[in-house]
Amino acid sequence: GAVVSQHPSWVICKSGTSVKIECRSLDFQATTMFWYRQFPKQSLMLMATSNEGSKATYEQGVEKDKFLINHASLTLSTLTVTSAHPEDSSFYICSARDNRDRGWNGGGYTFGSGTRLTVV
Amino acid sequence: SQQGEEDPQALSIQEGENATMNCSYKTSINNLQWYRQNSGRGLVHLILIRSNEREKHSGRLRVTLDTSKKSSSLLITASRAADTASYFCASPGRSNYKLTFGKGTLLTVNP
Repeated sequence: GAVVSQHPSWVICKSGTSVKIECRSLDFQATTMFWYRQFPKQSLMLMATSNEGSKATYEQGVEKDKFLINHASLTLSTLTVTSAHPEDSSFYICSARDNRDRGWNGGGYTFGSGTRLTVV
Repeated sequence: SQQGEEDPQALSIQEGENATMNCSYKTSINNLQWYRQNSGRGLVHLILIRSNEREKHSGRLRVTLDTSKKSSSLLITASRAADTASYFCASPGRSNYKLTFGKGTLLTVNP
């Protein structure tokens, strides 16, 4: 089945530094990937839609200069949390939609295993 | 804003019992999807039901969809301790495929 690899699975960084998280589709191409944030015992909140070869689309309230997204190829999207602060500590999850799933007849989306970010 | 709202928020049952989780949504949908998340892990797609379908089965899972009531239910039969997880419903946007999630149901299956 479809696999999305997300790295790192966890990271601890100092306040003020930047952290890059990778999301890679291993056996399919994904023009569109999504980045979510999840606080403990809460649901996933969509942060942005990552589009290969174009700018990401951010959800309302998400700072695009804070959360930089690069989708340089059909299999890789990266999320960089810049100048991280303790309030950025969270669980970040990416998902990808297989390009072969056209329209509404495709299957579900494939998710990475998530990245636990702790900013100290 | 969240598209779906699951209830109950938490459900605790004994192994072997059935678990039913409900999801209500606000806007019209093309399909509705159910996902499972083990603690601290990513999500796993369980089942997708299209707007023109009323019921779908996959192994021990049964999903129903009532578009007139904008609601769906997920039934897990003969539950196992390994079914312990959070379960989310989600639907993609009609024009942008963005998947938005409900708050989820935390299911605990006691051995």
